[in-house]
Amino acid sequence: GENVEQHPSTLSVQEGDSAVIKCTYSDSASNYFPWYKQELGKRPQLIIDIRSNVGEKKDQRIAVTLNKTAKHFSLHITETQPEDSAVYFCAASKRLTGGGNKLTFGTGTQLKVEL
Amino acid sequence: DADVTQTPRNRITKTGKRIMLECSQTKGHDRMYWYRQDPGLGLRLIYYSFDVKDINKGEISDGYSVSRQAQAKFSLSLESAIPNQTALYFCATSDPTAGELFFGEGSRLTVL
Repeated sequence: GENVEQHPSTLSVQEGDSAVIKCTYSDSASNYFPWYKQELGKRPQLIIDIRSNVGEKKDQRIAVTLNKTAKHFSLHITETQPEDSAVYFCAASKRLTGGGNKLTFGTGTQLKVEL
Repeated sequence: DADVTQTPRNRITKTGKRIMLECSQTKGHDRMYWYRQDPGLGLRLIYYSFDVKDINKGEISDGYSVSRQAQAKFSLSLESAIPNQTALYFCATSDPTAGELFFGEGSRLTVL
């Protein structure tokens, strides 16, 4: 089955700096790569996703890049703010017969943005 | 707002007891999932269901069972709870065209 590795497990940055979280996946058939943000005591929520037919996607201060050849993808957050402090999970999946995704998640990165 | 609701939100039980966690959703989604979250291990899939007659094992299904009572309801059971099943459990839904998972608020289970 799919295996997703995520690094680093913890990341501390100064407010205004950039943060980068990296993930690798094992199944070359995976074609969908979402990122979820989980604030303390809350449920995970999707912040951005990318499909295998594109190499980069941006949404305001966040961006995701995908390298299919190397089987890795990354989350980039620019101009970090205290409200970006949370746990971030990457995930990977391939489309299932009949639709839907069976996501395999990384182990999470605790991002702390310091004032 | 359409949502995913889990009950109970917190439960403390003893080894050997039977426990049921319930999930209901008003999003109208066909796909429903149960995930387990442990510190440092991320979210791991226990079971998933594409409709009322469809049940599939995830990566960590041993010790768990599920029931899809209706399109909107998906329950997770621990027939005989053990301490290493202490975790935060999330129900999630998705529709067949988009990839996004919508999570419930979570059910924190402690097995003593």
